[in-house]
Amino acid sequence: QVQLQESGPGLVKPSQTLSLTCTVSGGSISSGGYYWSWIRQHPGKGLEWIGYIYYSGSTYYNPSLKSRVTISVDTSKNQFSLKLSSVTAADTAVYYCARVEMATTTGYFDLWGRGTLVTVSS
Amino acid sequence: SYVLTQPPSVSVAPGQTARITCGGNNIGSKSVHWYQQKPGQAPVLVVYDDSDRPSGIPERFSGSNSGNTATLTISRVEAGDEADYYCQVWDSSSDHRGVVFGGGTKLTVL
Repeated sequence: QVQLQESGPGLVKPSQTLSLTCTVSGGSISSGGYYWSWIRQHPGKGLEWIGYIYYSGSTYYNPSLKSRVTISVDTSKNQFSLKLSSVTAADTAVYYCARVEMATTTGYFDLWGRGTLVTVSS
Repeated sequence: SYVLTQPPSVSVAPGQTARITCGGNNIGSKSVHWYQQKPGQAPVLVVYDDSDRPSGIPERFSGSNSGNTATLTISRVEAGDEADYYCQVWDSSSDHRGVVFGGGTKLTVL
């Protein structure tokens, strides 16, 4: 079955760029029909959607993070990635990658990675 | 931007029925999805498109959506249902378009 796994540094310094990768196994990221997304959760808080990408490279970001976020896809490696620039302590969170089942007017996250904690600290 | 409001906590005795609400302006016109998150784990989709269940989710989990309130109902609650529950919609009606999550509800099984 399809599985998602996040990877990347667990510690990032303030003002630097947070970089994470999600590896998709058990299925092809470019098979179509799904979007691929990043979501984060601040410690003890709720879920915050960051953005999503289609295998073709088209993206859509949370407007509140758009100026700092880049999501990209590497179909040859079956991976998609997140870059969040100019991080502060407020970006400390567990970051999840997830698969999006998208319809005309809605979408939901039917498969999630286990999440990875990223701490922003000097 | 579109706001989803959930009660912070709901408590229920084992074997009883838990109802977790998700309020939003005319939410009945949107598709609502629900996630269960146990401590230290990733969220799991339990209901999508208001009332459909993914494979593997017990029939005890059901959903409804009308007017300004969507509801996740868990029948015959078990100790293993204790978790945080989040509702989610896709908002395409405001300037802040995209995914919106509710603040989450902690379900406590007494």
